[in-house]
Amino acid sequence: DTAVSQTPKYLVTQMGNDKSIKCEQNLGHDTMYWYKQDSKKFLKIMFSYNNKELIINETVPNRFSPKSPDKAHLNLHINSLELGDSAVYFCASSQIVRAGETQYFGPGTRLLVL
Amino acid sequence: AQKITQTQPGMFVQEKEAVTLDCTYDTSDPSYGLFWYKQPSSGEMIFLIYQGSYDQQNATEGRYSLNFQKARKSANLVISASQLGDSAMYFCAMSRSNDYKLSFGAGTTVTVRA
Repeated sequence: DTAVSQTPKYLVTQMGNDKSIKCEQNLGHDTMYWYKQDSKKFLKIMFSYNNKELIINETVPNRFSPKSPDKAHLNLHINSLELGDSAVYFCASSQIVRAGETQYFGPGTRLLVL
Repeated sequence: AQKITQTQPGMFVQEKEAVTLDCTYDTSDPSYGLFWYKQPSSGEMIFLIYQGSYDQQNATEGRYSLNFQKARKSANLVISASQLGDSAMYFCAMSRSNDYKLSFGAGTTVTVRA
């Protein structure tokens, strides 16, 4: 069984559309994250939820809205997609919120905005 | 602000030889964690090894070891007996006690030659 799963794996869409990416973890972790990896492979945190509560919200356009219906799920909705949103989006989870806690990543969702 | 520096954009290593990937970090926080992740061409992020700032011993996980030099603020990854499957991009990352996100370096691409 996959520990952290994301759907879809690939997403190709037109500018201006709205799309969602879903993430689920079956590790029993309390904390989940969204990271963005740009075309130069640079990874940056976007959001983090701990027990369904938002704890990290980096400087991300408000077109991006995360939602955590329960501890095992963290979804990312993107409104009015722009060309610059093309990237790989990774979901991750960790057992608790702590500096030394290992984060386990999902397989990534490759988003291409045309 | 914390910063992770990986100065080697790409490296070649002969199969069965060891390779060292450099990572330096900058933080004034006394409590932090250092991580290495592997990203093969298939795109997933695989956790390799972790070192806590208060750990006295260098971390080891199979063929991976972390050369932690706290005074120099370096956390180099050593891969021993390289295998063709080690060809990938390797990321150094850090999280701090009051900031649970992972901050990543730019990555180092390792190519193992037969």
